[in-house]
Amino acid sequence: DIQMTQSPSSLSASVGDRVTITCRASHSLSSYLNWYQQKPGKVPKLLISAASSLQSGVPSRFSGSGSGTDFTLTISSLQPEDFATYYCQQSYRNPPVFGPGTKVDIK
Amino acid sequence: EVQLLEFGGGLVQPGKSLRVSCAASGITFSNYAISWVRQAPGKGLEWVSGITGSGGSTYYADSVKGRFTISRDNSKNTLFLQMNSLRGEDTAIYYCATESLANGAFDNWGQGTMVTVSS
Repeated sequence: DIQMTQSPSSLSASVGDRVTITCRASHSLSSYLNWYQQKPGKVPKLLISAASSLQSGVPSRFSGSGSGTDFTLTISSLQPEDFATYYCQQSYRNPPVFGPGTKVDIK
Repeated sequence: EVQLLEFGGGLVQPGKSLRVSCAASGITFSNYAISWVRQAPGKGLEWVSGITGSGGSTYYADSVKGRFTISRDNSKNTLFLQMNSLRGEDTAIYYCATESLANGAFDNWGQGTMVTVSS
């Protein structure tokens, strides 16, 4: 199975900060890497698919980049509604493994 | 609008069985591969099982292989997960999620159904 890691596991940031989360795979994924946001008590929401394709309705302050084994999710200017846990997930091959998550909270 | 609604969760004793279901609307159900993803209390997301649109191929996480069976009834737009020999570590919210035709991302999620395995 492909293994997924994320760093950091958590971070504290202020409104307006630029936030970067990294996801690394144990095998090349090409661009088959997706990012999800989950707020406490809520359903996960797909933010970015195929490494950099922003889903409809997702604010443009979110962006994704990378290919192969190393990927990044960037929030250009953190907003109060962005405090959540973010997961990467590979869809290159079965099983579709999720990363362990990065919790973004308020400094 | 795509809607997925899970049901059938509940409290079950260790070693017993439970079947959860996911009813879909707003999509041509048979066109979509669908998965079950679970989340134990306070933990991350774990993919459990997936099935192709036709139902011809199924996939399982090692943690549930041999105990869980995924199936679908395309005539009723419904997905199932039969869970046997349940263990405490199977306690989780179980979500169904459709897989994007383009890239396999989980693009639509249900609200989830809670399964608690406890004596």
